Amino acid sequence: GAVVSQHPSWVICKSGTSVKIECRSLDFQATTMFWYRQFPKQSLMLMATSNEGSKATYEQGVEKDKFLINHASLTLSTLTVTSAHPEDSSFYICSATDRVRGSNQPQHFGDGTRLSIL
Amino acid sequence: GENVEQHPSTLSVQEGDSAVIKCTYSDSASNYFPWYKQELGKRPQLIIDIRSNVGEKKDQRIAVTLNKTAKHFSLHITETQPEDSAVYFCAASISGTASKLTFGTGTRLQVTL
Repeated sequence: GAVVSQHPSWVICKSGTSVKIECRSLDFQATTMFWYRQFPKQSLMLMATSNEGSKATYEQGVEKDKFLINHASLTLSTLTVTSAHPEDSSFYICSATDRVRGSNQPQHFGDGTRLSIL
Repeated sequence: GENVEQHPSTLSVQEGDSAVIKCTYSDSASNYFPWYKQELGKRPQLIIDIRSNVGEKKDQRIAVTLNKTAKHFSLHITETQPEDSAVYFCAASISGTASKLTFGTGTRLQVTL
């Protein structure tokens, strides 16, 4: 149980392209999903907190107009990197918490999306 | 906001030896401290966690200790095996696990034969 699916796993595209990443909770409902970014040999940095049916909360320094987050249902959140540039190349990972089990459960991570902008 | 420091950044031990990784946090309101193991290119995997009402927790070869007064917590791996080689991250969270995690900088553990 508690599986989070992230798609795609790898994206290579040209500079200026917009890329959408999906994060799905497969066997539970996720009120809250988190989006992290991880550069090579670095830690996970929280980008934003996504709550179902409301606007995402972005961390300081993260451009909300560049990283669009939509959490339209209890099982799906999407991150769109708009007009991506080489400096946006990174490993993007989502996580989700189980709404039914409540706040005392661990976050469940997706497999991540490796984004490479040429 | 919360700040989590982690040491050492790299750790090399011989198979069978113990490994200890230490983290400190800044916000005394933090009350949930998970540890994750991440292999190259893969998702972080929760290996153990501890809440602020407990001082120590153990799961087979892995244990975590928490000192709330000093605001630090440690991961202990005993009888290390080559498959323990990975990057380990500590994290801290306020108000339970549904809140955002602040991660430490990571420790690359290498277990040699």
